[in-house]
This record gives sequence, C-alpha cells and structure tokens, in this order.
Amino acid sequence: KAGVTQTPRYLIKTRGQQVTLSCSPISGHRSVSWYQQTPGQGLQFLFEYFSETQRNKGNFPGRFSGRQFSNSRSEMNVSTLELGDSALYLCASSTLTSDLSTDTQYFGPGTRLTVL
Amino acid sequence: KQEVTQIPAALSVPEGENLVLNCSFTDSAIYNLQWFRQDPGKGLTSLLLIQSSQREQTSGRLNASLDKSSGRSTLYIAASQPGDSATYLCAAAGGSYIPTFGRGTSLIVHP
Repeated sequence: KAGVTQTPRYLIKTRGQQVTLSCSPISGHRSVSWYQQTPGQGLQFLFEYFSETQRNKGNFPGRFSGRQFSNSRSEMNVSTLELGDSALYLCASSTLTSDLSTDTQYFGPGTRLTVL
Repeated sequence: KQEVTQIPAALSVPEGENLVLNCSFTDSAIYNLQWFRQDPGKGLTSLLLIQSSQREQTSGRLNASLDKSSGRSTLYIAASQPGDSATYLCAAAGGSYIPTFGRGTSLIVHP
C-alpha cells in the first residue's frame, strides 16, 4: 500500500503571496490532519478533515484554510504569507475506525515552505 | 487541555547503551499513546502504539510502557545503534481525536 504523499516537497515564496499544499492519504483512510512544525513551537495541529468535513481546528489565523475532496485527498492553503509561516507542513492520515484506541496516524514526508 | 512533556530534550550516548526516553501527559483520559521517530527534515514514522487498555508494546529492540494513572509513558531502546539517532516524539490521543505531541527527545548515538 502506498504511503501518504505530499506535494510539493519544497516551496519558496515571498511575503504576501499565497500557497496551496496537497496531501494524498493512504488508500482507505478517510481522516486527514495537517500540522505545522517549527523549531520554536514544535508540532502544532492545524486542522482535521473527515469525509470532506472539517471536524477539528487548531489555533491558527484564518489565513490558514483547507479542504478535503471526495477521494479523501486534501489541500491546505495559506494566504498572505508571512515570514513566520516558514515551516515544515506535515499531513497525516488515519482510518478512524469505531475503536479509537487502535487509531494510528501515518505521516507524509512533509512540505518545506520557505517564505522570503 | 492536554499537555505532553518529554524529558530529556536531548541525549547523547555511546553505541550499545540501553536507554529510556520519558513522556508525561496531564490528562489520563486518552485512547492511546503513540511513539514516533523523526529524522532531520523528514516526516514522522510510527514506532509503537499503546492502547489505553494496554500496559506495554514491544517491537524488536523497542519497548514502550504506559501508566495512565500516573500520566507517564517510557520508550526503552535496547543496545542502541548509530542508526537510532533521530528525534523521538510521543503523542497522546484523547477525546478530540487529535493527538497532542510532545516537543521530542533528540537522540545521538555515537560509535
């Protein structure tokens, strides 16, 4: 089974621009979560989608948004980029069965975003 | 709000040593606790998942334990190797379905 894939792997943007990142989950996984990882803040939760619905959202400004398509693929968008948005953006997928205790998150390789 | 703390933040050991990484969490109402490994600039790789009803899980040289009552988990690595050098993160998953991650322990195993 193919793992979680993220595109692009690396991205360089300038302040004020917007960016769209893509994540394809493991086949059969319906839950997709996005995280931002920086040296200063560690791994911070952005949002989680399940069956095209955003179920959970972290404490990030409205410039960060996302969506999920019917095939479970997900995109996140960051508008009006700031220098502080430079980070590794990680996507994770999981099956979310009825037994939550067995739910495992599988991570993609990440997209390294640099804002100049 | 769940808070997860990992101690130590960094660890450097000679090859062959047995070592213990610690993870503590404030809310014991968790579904599971998961340990991950992250190599520099890469994504996270799941190592072990301990369900809330379990006390420990083992995979090869790795053994993870869970004590919900005290809010602690440990990851034991036996006979460490240079290839074990990475950052190890623990994540506690509770009522919101969203895991809360610790800041990680950066491990260096030198030959």
